Amino acid sequence: DAGITQSPRHKVTETGTPVTLRCHQTENHRYMYWYRQDPGHGLRLIHYSYGVKDTDKGEVSDGYSVSRSKTEDFLLTLESATSSQTSVYFCAISEDPRTVRTRNEQFFGPGTRLTVL
Amino acid sequence: AQTVTQSQPEMSVQEAETVTLSCTYDTSESDYYLFWYKQPPSRQMILVIRQEAYKQQNATENRFSVNFQKAAKSFSLKISDSQLGDAAMYFCAYRASYELSNFGNEKLTFGTGTRLTIIP
Repeated sequence: DAGITQSPRHKVTETGTPVTLRCHQTENHRYMYWYRQDPGHGLRLIHYSYGVKDTDKGEVSDGYSVSRSKTEDFLLTLESATSSQTSVYFCAISEDPRTVRTRNEQFFGPGTRLTVL
Repeated sequence: AQTVTQSQPEMSVQEAETVTLSCTYDTSESDYYLFWYKQPPSRQMILVIRQEAYKQQNATENRFSVNFQKAAKSFSLKISDSQLGDAAMYFCAYRASYELSNFGNEKLTFGTGTRLTIIP
């Protein structure tokens, strides 16, 4: 299994509070991603990173920010949590597909269940 | 934008039988990758099988195989000899080819999933 951990694994918070989720990898992969999973929507990309300090928005980025100061860590921050951000959050990693053509696979962390009351 | 559609929210199959999960996608690209991921109750996302669009041959992985119809933009998953451990949500996913990559095409676009139940 790819070395990906997410913390915390479960969190309950109140509306308006800031929340930070952490993704840590030991694979030295260049790309990291944050997805959210909701019933009826599958997984949707929030933000991704293609290197240290290099990040970009996904399709559902409103209300979220990210940071990547080290290759191994990718943080997702909800500046002021809302009930609509109650979800399961997945981190994923992948190698640079331009250098490892045969891979093209994203490896996923175990997920974080976030409940915003 | 690419879209992935899984029209079967739920499927069930008798143990040891064969089941096919359907997936269609929409893209204007000619080179891309398609994946099936399995999500058991543990919530872990597990890659089941991948298909490169430039390959004519359908991918197979043990009891799992795909029927890739590029012209029809269809990518179905066949599970043979279904086992109780196959019970899970199955997600179809699309990714553009890395040659077209512009720091964004590496992202996966997922379908909404099919929940597969195995009947003992």
